[in-house]
Amino acid sequence: DTEVTQTPKHLVMGMTNKKSLKCEQHMGHRAMYWYKQKAKKPPELMFVYSYEKLSINESVPSRFSPECPNSSLLNLHLHALQPEDSALYLCASSQVRTDNSPLHFGNGTRLTVT
Amino acid sequence: QKEVEQNSGPLSVPEGAIASLNCTYSDRGSQSFFWYRQYSGKSPELIMFIYSNGDKEDGRFTAQLNKASQYVSLLIRDSQPSDSATYLCAVTEGGYQKVTFGTGTKLQVIP
Repeated sequence: DTEVTQTPKHLVMGMTNKKSLKCEQHMGHRAMYWYKQKAKKPPELMFVYSYEKLSINESVPSRFSPECPNSSLLNLHLHALQPEDSALYLCASSQVRTDNSPLHFGNGTRLTVT
Repeated sequence: QKEVEQNSGPLSVPEGAIASLNCTYSDRGSQSFFWYRQYSGKSPELIMFIYSNGDKEDGRFTAQLNKASQYVSLLIRDSQPSDSATYLCAVTEGGYQKVTFGTGTKLQVIP
């Protein structure tokens, strides 16, 4: 069982919908991440939060809006997405700025935009 | 642009053999190196991490790091069909918070 929990597991949304992806971890990690993974491609970094503050935004379109309400929760708000945004969205957490800081992934949300 | 390169495979090995997976990276400032296993439709699962030059062993897995050559590898001894998956090499760049993944090597262990 993963210690990083993502909901929902699957999401189908239209291009005019607004939806949110949720991620929760109870590992005491203070860095949290959103990655996007297309089929047969590696995960691509979208956002990094460190101590609940956005530290990295990899030039992600504004239709993706991250939020970190507290040290355990990470949200990704979705609005006016395009079909090409369909992918597996992965949340991860880690310790902050130490050598011993591998990423721990959740099970992902499979998003389909119609 | 910082790059992490892997042979996409598939790499086919017979059951019980040693599988050797390789990864090169372009950022000389990279400090931390990770190997993840990903089954089809699942999320990446951490196998090993290594920070110092040399070998690190954990059960059937050995990670090898050569920073001078900018090369990291993963050896899987006594390969099992359940090891069949895509293996992702991941490297930190510009500090510890940005982790970049290679394209992955698909491993097939033939019974």
